[in-house]
Amino acid sequence: EPEVTQTPSHQVTQMGQEVILRCVPISNHLYFYWYRQILGQKVEFLVSFYNNEISEKSEIFDDQFSVERPDGSNFTLKIRSTKLEDSAMYFCASRLPRDRGQPQHFGDGTRLSIL
Amino acid sequence: AQTVTQSQPEMSVQEAETVTLSCTYDTSESDYYLFWYKQPPSRQMILVIRQEAYKQQNATENRFSVNFQKAAKSFSLKISDSQLGDAAMYFCAIMDSGGSNYKLTFGKGTLLTVNP
Repeated sequence: EPEVTQTPSHQVTQMGQEVILRCVPISNHLYFYWYRQILGQKVEFLVSFYNNEISEKSEIFDDQFSVERPDGSNFTLKIRSTKLEDSAMYFCASRLPRDRGQPQHFGDGTRLSIL
Repeated sequence: AQTVTQSQPEMSVQEAETVTLSCTYDTSESDYYLFWYKQPPSRQMILVIRQEAYKQQNATENRFSVNFQKAAKSFSLKISDSQLGDAAMYFCAIMDSGGSNYKLTFGKGTLLTVNP
């Protein structure tokens, strides 16, 4: 069964550095998402991406965050200048819009640790 | 804004027995979808079951079934004949079908332990 893949599984970065988290969604999916989960807290929506543009973003997704689908297969989340509070598990998801109830398929996540 | 509440941070069950995980939600939408996702340790979130709000019949997938009470905004998950492989974090989520992005709003999760 096709899967969403995320790399790396764990990223350790110094505060203030840029980080790029990578995702390869399922190939025929058209909606793409990033979520994050701070340890012990809820999984939170960050951003959705459709038709090569952001369709919705949360309050968390400020100017330090950006997303890109550079080559038709990868879907990346970039954090320009990381802060300690960016430490979290980041999940990528994709969805095939065959019908409105179509579920999202998630990757294994990237654990981001900011030092 | 939609909210999802899972009031049980942890639950445990004996192998072969039945357990019910609670979930309540709030939404102003009339058309929405509800999901239970399972996340084994260090693994991806996997869809367990989904429920369409306009369907009164409770969804069932093998040993997994839901008790959907729309008026009460309750969506509990029942796992029958629990197996060791059912041990995981379980997340309840609601999907907004309005607009065009279908984002998910999650609860905090319930950690299920299955005892042999």
